[in-house]
Amino acid sequence: GQQVMQIPQYQHVQEGEDFTTYCNSSTTLSNIQWYKQRPGGHPVFLIQLVKSGEVKKQKRLTFQFGEAKKNSSLHITATQTTDVGTYFCAGRPMDTGRRALTFGSGTRLQVQP
Amino acid sequence: DARVTQTPRHKVTEMGQEVTMRCQPILGHNTVFWYRQTMMQGLELLAYFRNRAPLDDSGMPKDRFSAEMPDATLATLKIQPSEPRDSAVYFCASGLVLSGELYEQYFGPGTRLTVT
Repeated sequence: GQQVMQIPQYQHVQEGEDFTTYCNSSTTLSNIQWYKQRPGGHPVFLIQLVKSGEVKKQKRLTFQFGEAKKNSSLHITATQTTDVGTYFCAGRPMDTGRRALTFGSGTRLQVQP
Repeated sequence: DARVTQTPRHKVTEMGQEVTMRCQPILGHNTVFWYRQTMMQGLELLAYFRNRAPLDDSGMPKDRFSAEMPDATLATLKIQPSEPRDSAVYFCASGLVLSGELYEQYFGPGTRLTVT
């Protein structure tokens, strides 16, 4: 079945440092979504990418979708303590009728003030 | 500000008891998902519904779990009998599917289930 892997599992950075999490799928995706979950909270939608090679920005966050639509990345510039949480990617495989997303294992970000 | 609501927020029960979790999706959303989150397995999809019809429940242990949508404002997830390995946070999420494409999912606050 489809697998969505995320690396790293955990990253600890100093406030002001950059952070990147990578998402890799075993199959081609029709789209990919990113979610953020604060400690003790629930996943909150950040963005959706649909096109091959697409890049979207939200303030300090930059999201990319690979040319082959099998990988994606989230980059945070100059992290802040408010960025703490777990970041999940979620993708829908292209070649199946399944409409639900498969979530990656998540990357937990800790920011040291 | 529309939100997905879930009840109860916390549930502690003994092994063998029945557990029912409820979810009220956002009005107008046509797709409802049930997820389970644990440290070991991460976020797992259990089942989802489109226009109240079950589309996929392959992630759910069929012998003890059941999911229904008796009406458009209520989704339920039942575990009978519950076991300690069912301890997890159960999230409901709703979303809108248009022309076959799913837009963002809105997650509820979750039900934290502990089975002793």
